[in-house]
Amino acid sequence: DAKTTQPNSMESNEEEPVHLPCNHSTISGTDYIHWYRQLPSQGPEYVIHGLTSNVNNRMASLAIAEDRKSSTLILHRATLRDAAVYYCILLNSNSGYALNFGKGTSLLVTP
Amino acid sequence: DAGITQSPRHKVTETGTPVTLRCHQTENHRYMYWYRQDPGHGLRLIHYSYGVKDTDKGEVSDGYSVSRSKTEDFLLTLESATSSQTSVYFCAISGLAGELYEQYFGPGTRLTVT
Repeated sequence: DAKTTQPNSMESNEEEPVHLPCNHSTISGTDYIHWYRQLPSQGPEYVIHGLTSNVNNRMASLAIAEDRKSSTLILHRATLRDAAVYYCILLNSNSGYALNFGKGTSLLVTP
Repeated sequence: DAGITQSPRHKVTETGTPVTLRCHQTENHRYMYWYRQDPGHGLRLIHYSYGVKDTDKGEVSDGYSVSRSKTEDFLLTLESATSSQTSVYFCAISGLAGELYEQYFGPGTRLTVT
């Protein structure tokens, strides 16, 4: 299975943009890139997903490199509520139903 | 927020006792999942269901059984709890399964087996 690599932790100032990177150099053509986050003491929360093109939704933007070997989750204006662990996950039809969360990136947002 | 509740939210039990965790949804979603989360392992899939009375095993199913007699309820049973099953258990639901669809998670159940 293709794996993802994320920094263990990142820090951002409140109201600043945040770019969370994810490397997936062995991604296959059918792998979708999903992002989830987990706030302290809560269940994971879906953020966004994409295949090849950049994607935007109310929570974030997903920028996917042209070769798809990396992607970046963009939070346009970080708030204190965005402090969470962010997980980059690859899914394809062969991965069945499981989300492989890995260790993710712990985002600290400071006032 | 997706309508998912888990009960109990916290439980302490003794080794060897049976334990049942309940996941209840009000979204009428077809797919339901049970994960466990442990330090150093992230979330791992235990069992999932793709319809009433239709279930299958996940990555870490040993020691667990599940049942789904109604669309809205998915039960996870530890027949004889062990200390290695101390964990936080999350239920998730999705309308459809696969790479195109997101899963919605419940608040979790913290289980301690002494």
